[in-house]
Amino acid sequence: DAGVIQSPRHEVTEMGQEVTLRCKPISGHNSLFWYRQTMMRGLELLIYFNNNVPIDDSGMPEDRFSAKMPNASFSTLKIQPSEPRDSAVYFCASSFWGRVNSPLHFGNGTRLTVT
Amino acid sequence: TQLLEQSPQFLSIQEGENLTVYCNSSSVFSSLQWYRQEPGEGPVLLVTVVTGGEVKKLKRLTFQFGDARKDSSLHITAAQPGDTGLYLCAGGRGSNYKLTFGKGTLLTVNP
Repeated sequence: DAGVIQSPRHEVTEMGQEVTLRCKPISGHNSLFWYRQTMMRGLELLIYFNNNVPIDDSGMPEDRFSAKMPNASFSTLKIQPSEPRDSAVYFCASSFWGRVNSPLHFGNGTRLTVT
Repeated sequence: TQLLEQSPQFLSIQEGENLTVYCNSSSVFSSLQWYRQEPGEGPVLLVTVVTGGEVKKLKRLTFQFGDARKDSSLHITAAQPGDTGLYLCAGGRGSNYKLTFGKGTLLTVNP
């Protein structure tokens, strides 16, 4: 099992540019989560998908953020236009929802720096 | 908002020492998970506790869930440099997918 795979590992971009983060969840998992981690706020849930359908996007900061899951093995998080305050580590996680206390399996994250 | 407060925020100790970190809330959780995050990696689950008063051991790590299921502690015996990392607690409520994460305790074990 390769685990959750995220790309790129690091992204440096200028303010105003579009950024796309990618995630491949663990095969067989039916739930996918995008989190953002900063020193100030810790881990924040941005959006949750179940069976490829967005269930809760209440954590998405604003309309500049969008996420898609076109199939069970791929998801993207897009920021357009990016701003310096978006700088953070973005994690994708997957799990098997329906199993009580199913743990989250996190990828190694994408460190985003917006200058 | 159900907050999980973790303390201390930072902890630096020498190899061989014992330590305890805490995770507290004013809310009841049906389960409490502990994760460890190493630099440049994502959090990795260590343990899940679900019953008030439950104690689980993982080698030198002992996890306890409070009787009222509002708090938890992690005790490490004879800490080693390999224990260095960010320890996160996360509370769950039944079938609710939305885990509440604490901000973590950053532990450094010096050789």
